[in-house]
Amino acid sequence: KAGVTQTPRYLIKTRGQQVTLSCSPISGHRSVSWYQQTPGQGLQFLFEYFSETQRNKGNFPGRFSGRQFSNSRSEMNVSTLELGDSALYLCASSLGGLLRTTEAFFGQGTRLTVV
Amino acid sequence: KNEVEQSPQNLTAQEGEFITINCSYSVGISALHWLQQHPGGGIVSLFMLSSGKKKHGRLIATINIQEKHSSLHITASHPRDSAVYICAVTPNFGNEKLTFGTGTRLTIIP
Repeated sequence: KAGVTQTPRYLIKTRGQQVTLSCSPISGHRSVSWYQQTPGQGLQFLFEYFSETQRNKGNFPGRFSGRQFSNSRSEMNVSTLELGDSALYLCASSLGGLLRTTEAFFGQGTRLTVV
Repeated sequence: KNEVEQSPQNLTAQEGEFITINCSYSVGISALHWLQQHPGGGIVSLFMLSSGKKKHGRLIATINIQEKHSSLHITASHPRDSAVYICAVTPNFGNEKLTFGTGTRLTIIP
């Protein structure tokens, strides 16, 4: 069974640009969560999508947005990039049942560098 | 104060030693996760538990819900166990959001 796939693995962007990252979950998983990891702040929750709806959102500015498609693939977008957005962006997929917490499976991450 | 606290932050041990990493949390949870992150960045889920104890090979995870505390043990540690171990909790029932500890960097010396 294929794991969680994130593309691209590495990305270099310039301040002010925008970027789109992609996450393909494990087949059958309906929940996709996004996380940002930086040396200073550690791992922080960005948002979670379930069945094409944003179900939870972390404390990030509106420049960070996402969406989920009918096949459960998810994208996150960061507009007007700032140097502080340089980070490892991880997505995790899970079955996402509404009545129980299920195990999360993580992708390899996309390392974004903003210059 | 962080909702999830891990100790120690760094741990260096000799190959073969018994390792314990601790995690304390301050919120009610529906599950606690132990994750492993290698230098490449990818994260592997080791355990998800809401009560008692789980064992996979040389790894054992325990949780005490009343004390809001969990431990990850590694028996007969090996250099390939060197990684960052992260404790994460799911604070709300049915909610997939994870709140993370700051991680424990484990180095096993041959």
